Amino acid sequence: DAGVTQSPTHLIKTRGQQVTLRCSPKSGHDTVSWYQQALGQGPQFIFQYYEEEERQRGNFPDRFSGHQFPNYSSELNVNALWLGDSALYLCASSTGTSWASTDTQYFGPGTRLTVL
Amino acid sequence: AQKVTQAQTEISVVEKEDVTLDCVYETRDTTYYLFWYKQPPSGELVFLIRRNSFDEQNEISGRYSWNFQKSTSSFNFTITASQVVDSAVYFCALRFNDYKLSFGAGTTVTVRA
Repeated sequence: DAGVTQSPTHLIKTRGQQVTLRCSPKSGHDTVSWYQQALGQGPQFIFQYYEEEERQRGNFPDRFSGHQFPNYSSELNVNALWLGDSALYLCASSTGTSWASTDTQYFGPGTRLTVL
Repeated sequence: AQKVTQAQTEISVVEKEDVTLDCVYETRDTTYYLFWYKQPPSGELVFLIRRNSFDEQNEISGRYSWNFQKSTSSFNFTITASQVVDSAVYFCALRFNDYKLSFGAGTTVTVRA
C-alpha cells in the first residue's frame, strides 16, 4: 500500500521564478492538504483540496495556488519566488468530507525548496 | 484563536530513560482533535496518536502513552524506555471545526546510546 508521495525531493530556484510541486495521496484518500515548514518551525497550513476545489486556505498570499486532479493527486504552484519561500513543503492526504470526520492526515516526505 | 505551545525546545536522554513531552493548547471550541507526529531527520512527518476532545481516557500503545487533561488543556506524550531510533522532532497538533492542523514549534528529542 503506497503512502503519500511527493516530487521532486529537492529543488533550487532563483528569486522571481515559478515552481510546481506534486503530490500523490495515499491509496483510498481523496483529500490533499499542503503545508510549509520553515527551518526550525512547525508546519504552517497553506490550503486543502477536496473534489478538485480549494476547501480552506491559510494565511498565504495569492502567489501560492494549487490544483487537484480527478485522480486526487495535487499540485502546489508558487509564483514570483522570494528568498523567504525557502522551506520544506509537505503534502498530507486524508479522507472525509466534514469537519467531524475522524480522518487523520498522513504526510509525504516533503519537497525541500531552496530559493537563491 | 487556536494555539499549540510546546515549551520544551530540546530534550536529551540516555537510552532506556523515559521521555515526557509537554503540549498545552488553546481553543474555545468544545470539540476538537489532538495529534502527535514524529519527524525524523528524513523529514517525513509520521503520525503517532490522535485524541478526541470528548474522550479523556488515557491509553498506552506499545512504548507510547499519553495524558490528556481537558481541565488544564494539556496533551502530554511519553516514550517509555527510549531508544536511539526515537531521536526526532516531535510535534503536537490541534484541529477543530475546520480542516487544517495547527502545529506547535516542536521538541527535539535526542536519545544517546
